[in-house]
Amino acid sequence: NAGVTQTPKFQVLKTGQSMTLQCAQDMNHNSMYWYRQDPGMGLRLIYYSASEGTTDKGEVPNGYNVSRLNKREFSLRLESAAPSQTSVYFCASTFRGDGYTFGSGTRLTVV
Amino acid sequence: QKEVEQNSGPLSVPEGAIASLNCTYSDRGSQSFFWYRQYSGKSPELIMSIYSNGDKEDGRFTAQLNKASQYVSLLIRDSQPSDSATYLCAVNKPQAGTALIFGKGTTLSVSS
Repeated sequence: NAGVTQTPKFQVLKTGQSMTLQCAQDMNHNSMYWYRQDPGMGLRLIYYSASEGTTDKGEVPNGYNVSRLNKREFSLRLESAAPSQTSVYFCASTFRGDGYTFGSGTRLTVV
Repeated sequence: QKEVEQNSGPLSVPEGAIASLNCTYSDRGSQSFFWYRQYSGKSPELIMSIYSNGDKEDGRFTAQLNKASQYVSLLIRDSQPSDSATYLCAVNKPQAGTALIFGKGTTLSVSS
């Protein structure tokens, strides 16, 4: 099925551990995004990639790194997880900015 | 001032009524405006986009844009219990290409 695929769907980390969230889209979209969603805070932009080979910081980039591996894949890395990074993470993509397609999300808990 | 503001709700309407959801934004340079619906535990899904002043209708949904007032709204006619969800307003960030800034969302509850 065409769309945005995120892995894993659930993850529990210990404080200080690292992990990479994977995102892949098969719609030939140019731009990809990572958001986090916390209760009462809405969706907040972490990083985005306007096109293959470029990445930029969003509203809340601290503690994260990203890699636009190719046109299809955009990964988000937590180098040293903190409890404040407990959240639901969404990847999204768009072709020309005419609305996003979202992945199903990753529920991350840092203990 | 927050970049995109919405009343958090909950907004409660009876089945068959019109639900009116509102959103204001701060950046006058924004050109693209979207409404997403998010069911509990699910990812957001796009329901409407609007780029020009005025109204845009799609089935039971009407989006309204007033750039002078920096105001976007969504009307849902003949509301159904299945419309019960959180509705997110999103606006493009002019300095960041197609990146969107989201409001915190309005929770709509439609009672049968």
